[in-house]
Amino acid sequence: SQTIHQWPATLVQPVGSPLSLECTVEGTSNPNLYWYRQAAGRGLQLLFYSVGIGQISSEVPQNLSASRPQDRQFILSSKKLLLSDSGFYLCAWSLAQETQYFGPGTRLLVL
Amino acid sequence: GDSVTQMEGPVTLSEEAFLTINCTYTATGYPSLFWYVQYPGEGLQLLLKATKADDKGSNKGFEATYRKETTSFHLEKGSVQVSDSAVYFCALIKAAGNKLTFGGGTRVLVKP
Repeated sequence: SQTIHQWPATLVQPVGSPLSLECTVEGTSNPNLYWYRQAAGRGLQLLFYSVGIGQISSEVPQNLSASRPQDRQFILSSKKLLLSDSGFYLCAWSLAQETQYFGPGTRLLVL
Repeated sequence: GDSVTQMEGPVTLSEEAFLTINCTYTATGYPSLFWYVQYPGEGLQLLLKATKADDKGSNKGFEATYRKETTSFHLEKGSVQVSDSAVYFCALIKAAGNKLTFGGGTRVLVKP
């Protein structure tokens, strides 16, 4: 069966520091991968999605970037964090345009 | 553009009460519709889905029917438990799309 992992689970970072969040999927090949952000008390916003290695689509202009160095690995990065980057970051996977399955999330607090 | 509208919460119920969470959508074509549930501190779990008009998705006692004529996908459960306390998200995805469009979420609190 397929599983999706995210780490770290929780992260507290100072403003201006770099960020790297990792997401990996097991048990499937060539998945579509997604990064979402959930701000406190709000809905989910799609940040990036990828349909293959090195292919990244950005949904909103922002302080963040994404990379897909391997088929089942998706990384969310920032060179300099802002206070507004705080939130709950969720990675998801799907096969083509089918159902998306979510990871456990990373809670990021920028101070 | 596409959009999903959910009733605002929080919804507070007593155990064994009937739960309905309204969800309506705006989209061209024939989207697939989903309900996800988020328990405190966790990621989203797929609760149920429907891929075409008149389909009924069901899981864990929850049901929702894809109503194209009213562009709705209301979630129902006949008898809620304390363990059903969570945030519920309605979402859609277009047939040839990659992007899930979410509603704002509805927080449900079930009291014993």
